[in-house]
Amino acid sequence: EADIYQTPRYLVIGTGKKITLECSQTMGHDKMYWYQQDPGMELHLIHYSYGVNSTEKGDLSSESTVSRIRTEHFPLTLESARPSHTSQYLCASSEVPGQGLEKLFFGSGTQLSVL
Amino acid sequence: RKEVEQDPGPFNVPEGATVAFNCTYSNSASQSFFWYRQDCRKEPKLLMSVYSSGNEDGRFTAQLNRASQYISLLIRDSKLSDSATYLCVVNPGKLIFGTGTRLQVFP
Repeated sequence: EADIYQTPRYLVIGTGKKITLECSQTMGHDKMYWYQQDPGMELHLIHYSYGVNSTEKGDLSSESTVSRIRTEHFPLTLESARPSHTSQYLCASSEVPGQGLEKLFFGSGTQLSVL
Repeated sequence: RKEVEQDPGPFNVPEGATVAFNCTYSNSASQSFFWYRQDCRKEPKLLMSVYSSGNEDGRFTAQLNRASQYISLLIRDSKLSDSATYLCVVNPGKLIFGTGTRLQVFP
């Protein structure tokens, strides 16, 4: 089993609140990712990081921000939550054994509902 | 056209059946390929990598056809526990996920 953890598992919050979704991994992986997934839909990459102090926006535009101050920690923040942010947020990290054989390990996800 | 395309299904099959999924990709520079499994409301988990020569893991067989740019997953002797969504993942320099194919195995 992969050692990557997300908290909270479920979050119901009102519009306009600031929220931070936590993600931690103990595998020492340099690469970490945040995906957004609606029910029955594909995963969309919203942020990624290749290491400490490295963060990039993904393919899907997002109003969230991320930080990577420590290797094991990759939190995602929404400054002002809106109902359109309601979704499942999945954090992942990867080991890259070589020759592009990157394998992702996912956390259990945070189901966010903004009222 | 999406970079990775899968038949969304659902594929409804009886226990013991053999079922096959295909996934097509558009970027011929893709170098690595994977199948992930995602249970309802759960996170995706790596099922198997797909190698050029094809590979097998128990009841699961993965094949790669570079000329036609598709990969396949064959599940033999389906179990109820195989019910899930199967995600095709292709790496042309970054990981790209398909929308997944839903499999429902019934008794």
